[in-house]
Amino acid sequence: GEDVEQSLFLSVREGDSSVINCTYTDSSSTYLYWYKQEPGAGLQLLTYIFSNMDMKQDQRLTVLLNKKDKHLSLRIADTQTGDSAIYFCADPPHQAGTALIFGKGTTLSVSS
Amino acid sequence: GAVVSQHPSRVICKSGTSVKIECRSLDFQATTMFWYRQFPKQSLMLMATSNEGSKATYEQGVEKDKFLINHASLTLSTLTVTSAHPEDSSFYICSAREVLKPGNTIYFGEGSWLTVV
Repeated sequence: GEDVEQSLFLSVREGDSSVINCTYTDSSSTYLYWYKQEPGAGLQLLTYIFSNMDMKQDQRLTVLLNKKDKHLSLRIADTQTGDSAIYFCADPPHQAGTALIFGKGTTLSVSS
Repeated sequence: GAVVSQHPSRVICKSGTSVKIECRSLDFQATTMFWYRQFPKQSLMLMATSNEGSKATYEQGVEKDKFLINHASLTLSTLTVTSAHPEDSSFYICSAREVLKPGNTIYFGEGSWLTVV
């Protein structure tokens, strides 16, 4: 079945850039998503990228998509302590009406 | 943006009792809602897909009689944990699909912490 893989931890210093990587198996995805989960809270949609795009930039966030390698990354520029959270990439299965498939989440720890 | 609201955000119940969690889409209609469970420091596990006006579709290993899902309207789905046990203590999150948005964007509620004592 479909699978989404992420590295589990990333630790950066405040002001540095963070890059969170994700690989997926379902090549038919039209969109791929990044969600953020702060401690004890639900998931917040950060951004999504259409599968025919290579890059999408939204303020401090840059999403890169390599469809050939089925690799997705999220870059956070000028990382702040408030960015500390768990980041999930999510891949919608090709069948309409079905749920997202999540990676295990990358815990981003930002130190000052 | 679209908002999904869950209630209650935290609930403590006694072992053997039932507890209901509500998931509402506040400013859009959602024909499909999803219920997830999340154990500490783990990813989300899909429990069931809730379709308005029809029976929910449960994932393998999820007990239908224990986790009752009702999707009575286009803006409300409920999850009832029946005869709760301490091992049911978890973080439950719902999501709803906004079909008119690009990518059929899925929004999540803030989650409900269930503690069974």
